[in-house]
Amino acid sequence: AQSVTQLGSHVSVSEGALVLLRCNYSSSVPPYLFWYVQYPNQGLQLLLKYTSAATLVKGINGFEAEFKKSETSFHLTKPSAHMSDAAEYFCAVSNAGGTSYGKLTFGQGTILTVHP
Amino acid sequence: GAVVSQHPSRVICKSGTSVKIECRSLDFQATTMFWYRQFPKQSLMLMATSNEGSKATYEQGVEKDKFLINHASLTLSTLTVTSAHPEDSSFYICSARVAGQGAYEQYFGPGTRLTVT
Repeated sequence: AQSVTQLGSHVSVSEGALVLLRCNYSSSVPPYLFWYVQYPNQGLQLLLKYTSAATLVKGINGFEAEFKKSETSFHLTKPSAHMSDAAEYFCAVSNAGGTSYGKLTFGQGTILTVHP
Repeated sequence: GAVVSQHPSRVICKSGTSVKIECRSLDFQATTMFWYRQFPKQSLMLMATSNEGSKATYEQGVEKDKFLINHASLTLSTLTVTSAHPEDSSFYICSARVAGQGAYEQYFGPGTRLTVT
């Protein structure tokens, strides 16, 4: 079984401030981890993914995430928030094997608000 | 590359009628497509996995006779909500996996907003 917990359903930051969105996962086999962004009434856009290569993953729009096996975490960060980053962010886990092969399990989502 | 489209983007139907939603991979072949539903202010919940040329695999609690999935080609999967009720109103999102790329990458469509009156 696999699961994802995103700590904080809402995060609010000022423009230019650090963005930190937290994600912890549970998986019985080595996971693949993803961060997606969703703008209102739109589908999901992949920000970045971890697939057992480098533990520090860089994505689009200046975002990055670090896979920490000991902490079962995959937190998303961006050094300086921009107004256009305001959206909902989803962390997801997938497994390369087992009964959940290829299926994505999503966290509950974190709404990021950016203040001027 | 790896663009997925959905049609329609919005649909309103009356209770008791059926509605079909299409999911297309525009520039790649997708042996596997996934259907999700998302209620307001909630996360995506996987409904079913659709494999080209075979029956869909439904998640626990999803009525396969109500949500009919057909994956007739490598670029098209359809979801038909039969005898729709107001509680079926939701945002339906499909995703597709590139054939031969591996198990972990899914590309998402823009979603279809279904409102049942």
